[in-house]
Amino acid sequence: DGGITQSPKYLFRKEGQNVTLSCEQNLNHDAMYWYRQDPGQGLRLIYYSQIVNDFQKGDIAEGYSVSREKKESFPLTVTSAQKNPTAFYLCASSIVWTSSYTDTQYFGPGTRLTVL
Amino acid sequence: GQQVMQIPQYQHVQEGEDFTTYCNSSTTLSNIQWYKQRPGGHPVFLIQLVKSGEVKKQKRLTFQFGEAKKNSSLHITATQTTDVGTYFCAGILRWGGNMLTFGGGTRLMVKP
Repeated sequence: DGGITQSPKYLFRKEGQNVTLSCEQNLNHDAMYWYRQDPGQGLRLIYYSQIVNDFQKGDIAEGYSVSREKKESFPLTVTSAQKNPTAFYLCASSIVWTSSYTDTQYFGPGTRLTVL
Repeated sequence: GQQVMQIPQYQHVQEGEDFTTYCNSSTTLSNIQWYKQRPGGHPVFLIQLVKSGEVKKQKRLTFQFGEAKKNSSLHITATQTTDVGTYFCAGILRWGGNMLTFGGGTRLMVKP
């Protein structure tokens, strides 16, 4: 089956701990994204990557870090510097990203992070 | 601040009634996409509109892109309980780089 997988589905963390959320895709997509969704809210872009070994900050990158060492993987680390990390985190990918056209984004099932 | 706004934020309808959600941008959009997120699920792509004044239909769903490419709407005719979920619009702000900006979403609840 082709698609995007995220793990774990639920994650609990103590304050002050870093935690890494996994995102893997086998769709052969070049672009990958991380969004944060708070209850009753829309999606806010954390980081995005258009190509391997390159990534850019989104609207709310503070307290987060990413890496893109492989085309199919785009892990997100929520650091202790993130003041309010409890949220639903969604990873997405798309075939291409040009300056004037955005292809369909395919989303993973998400990870619900709760800070205790 | 948020540059893509959606109204209403919530909508309760009786099954069989129509439903419309509106998406408005402070700047011109290169294109607009619509997504649906079921309760507890993840967003799923519905459609993309590119041309000024474009109208597309998917069964009971009708999508419109405004002439000025600053607004869009999604209309559902004769809602069903399977339509329950949150509908998001998302677009590229023409003068805002090439990132997709999501609206806050409209949560639709359908009473059987």
